[in-house]
Amino acid sequence: EVQLVESGGGLIQPGGSLRLSCAASGFTVSSNYMNWVRQAPGKGLDWVSLIYSGGSTYYADSVKGRFTISRDNSKNTLYLQMNSLRAEDTAVYYCAAQYRSSMYSLDVWGQGTTVTVSS
Amino acid sequence: DIQMTQSPSSLSASVGDRVTITCRASQSISNYLNWYQQKPGKAPKLLIYAASTLQSGVPSRFSGSGSGTDFTLTISSLQPEDFATYYCQQSYSSPLTFGGGTKVEIK
Repeated sequence: EVQLVESGGGLIQPGGSLRLSCAASGFTVSSNYMNWVRQAPGKGLDWVSLIYSGGSTYYADSVKGRFTISRDNSKNTLYLQMNSLRAEDTAVYYCAAQYRSSMYSLDVWGQGTTVTVSS
Repeated sequence: DIQMTQSPSSLSASVGDRVTITCRASQSISNYLNWYQQKPGKAPKLLIYAASTLQSGVPSRFSGSGSGTDFTLTISSLQPEDFATYYCQQSYSSPLTFGGGTKVEIK
């Protein structure tokens, strides 16, 4: 079964750091187009970052310089390192992948992990 | 950055109704347009990619059309399980952007 499982969320103070993990099963993270998408409470979807199979990475302006996307091929896991966290980073964070679809659409999603930035 | 504008932001409809949601891009995105459905507390689900290609397993009452800047998601006969929020997303260029969402509610 193709599956993504996020972990690592929690309550963190402003200015703190957190690393989210997204463990994949049924497909290979390094061979697929992988993204992080977040959703603040009661708000819409907000794209955060992506990594192509070739390794190129891109970020939303709101997180550039603070967040880093990476992957560990041996663990088949995607990561999001989040530094200098702000209250506005509070959201459910989803990892998502293009697996069977095309045109950089996202047909596999994790269940999400909640990040709360508050003192 | 490419802005995606969805309309309406919400609508009320009855079971069996035909529902149309529109999405406009601030510049041409060819057919790099995807539609997602999200129910409360759940992850989004891909419905349509490449503007008009139905994702595997998605009922045929869902359809998409358009290219360039104007796109449409149509539900031909609304079913009880279709009450949800729908988002368009452009995958033409980074930063990827989503529309603001359309909440489909029961009339």
